[in-house]
Amino acid sequence: NFMLTQPHSVSESPGKTVTISCTGSSGSIASNYVQWYQQRPGSAPTTVIYEDNQRPSGVPDRFSGSIDSSSNSASLTISGLKTEDEADYYCQSYDSSNRVFGGGTKLTVL
Amino acid sequence: EVQLVESGGGLVKPGRSLRLSCTASGFTFGDYAMSWFRQAPGKGLEWVGFIRSKAYGGTTEYAASVKGRFTISRDDSKSIAYLQMNSLKTEDTAVYYCTREPTTYYDSSGYPDYWGQGTLVTVSS
Repeated sequence: NFMLTQPHSVSESPGKTVTISCTGSSGSIASNYVQWYQQRPGSAPTTVIYEDNQRPSGVPDRFSGSIDSSSNSASLTISGLKTEDEADYYCQSYDSSNRVFGGGTKLTVL
Repeated sequence: EVQLVESGGGLVKPGRSLRLSCTASGFTFGDYAMSWFRQAPGKGLEWVGFIRSKAYGGTTEYAASVKGRFTISRDDSKSIAYLQMNSLKTEDTAVYYCTREPTTYYDSSGYPDYWGQGTLVTVSS
């Protein structure tokens, strides 16, 4: 079964840039779109990136997504970090007829 | 303003059934596919399934973990999506989220653009 692997946690200081990776277990991650979701503590998830690198309306351009076929991974980059960016981030893609999630990455902004 | 409000969660015994509702407002409900996701306590997100709009046949797709036990339906006249859960197991304990999908595909592809706040389902004897 296809799996997506994310780092358990990352931390960075306000104003800096952080990148969260999402590595596919097999095949080519570039074959299917990748989405990224943000979940702040105690809140429902929100979609911050869809179709690899598209931002929904209302999501600041500090958030960007990319695909690296050479490492079979997707990345979420957040620049100009703010304390409000502290949250869990999940990547998601597809496998056969299923939507597959990464295990999530806890971002601490300190 | 798009709003999705889930209801119907609660405590239910293993093997029993429960139906969740997702009441939508702020958009033309019938034009959109609707999905359900869930999140077990302290765990990550899991896709449950979705239902396409009537324009795409109103057909459904399900995750392997719930196929044959869960059924998604919709009532466009009331702007409500339903998640019927049968033969519930303790591992179905989770917060269940309803979402709107802005794009419809003929496979399981797609993504949500709006999420509800979720409703907690606890399966326990």
